[in-house]
Amino acid sequence: DTGVSQNPRHKITKRGQNVTFRCDPISEHNRLYWYRQTLGQGPEFLTYFQNEAQLEKSRLLSDRFSAERPKGSFSTLEIQRTEQGDSAMYLCASSYRQGVTGETQYFGPGTRLLVL
Amino acid sequence: GNSVTQMEGPVTLSEEAFLTINCTYTATGYPSLFWYVQYPGEGLQLLLKATKADDKGSNKGFEATYRKETTSFHLEKGSVQVSDSAVYFCALYRGGYQKVTFGTGTKLQVIP
Repeated sequence: DTGVSQNPRHKITKRGQNVTFRCDPISEHNRLYWYRQTLGQGPEFLTYFQNEAQLEKSRLLSDRFSAERPKGSFSTLEIQRTEQGDSAMYLCASSYRQGVTGETQYFGPGTRLLVL
Repeated sequence: GNSVTQMEGPVTLSEEAFLTINCTYTATGYPSLFWYVQYPGEGLQLLLKATKADDKGSNKGFEATYRKETTSFHLEKGSVQVSDSAVYFCALYRGGYQKVTFGTGTKLQVIP
């Protein structure tokens, strides 16, 4: 069973450095999502792709954040000039569009980022 | 906008006790409702879902019924085990918004 995978699982970086995370969705899924989860909170939506097109971005996604999904397969999330407030778990999810109901997002294990 | 409210934790139960975690939602139209579970240090796993009113989702002994009249989706289990200790998230998906809206999570601790 090939679920959603994310790499790395953990990342420690110094403030001001750039980091990049990768997500590999379930192979037949055409939608891919990024969420951020801080301690004690539920995940918050950052952005989503349908195939290779980035269709929505949250206000949480500052201009230091950029996401790509070349060829509609894996996705990368890059954070430039990291700040301590970026420390969080970054979750990726994928789904297959089934109309307006019944769509289920499947989550990866997450990448835990710590900015020192 | 869409929102989910779930009971605050932590909830501490003895093994074999009955579990209820309350969840209510606010949304226009007819959202799909979910419960996800997160074990320590891991991502979210889908526990169960319901896509229309009066549907009952069930999995691994957990159940939740989609109640449109009370806008609720309470999670229940008749007899919890130590291995059920985790954080449980209630969530909704409203087609057209393309994102899942989560509650803040309820931590469950089951003691032997």
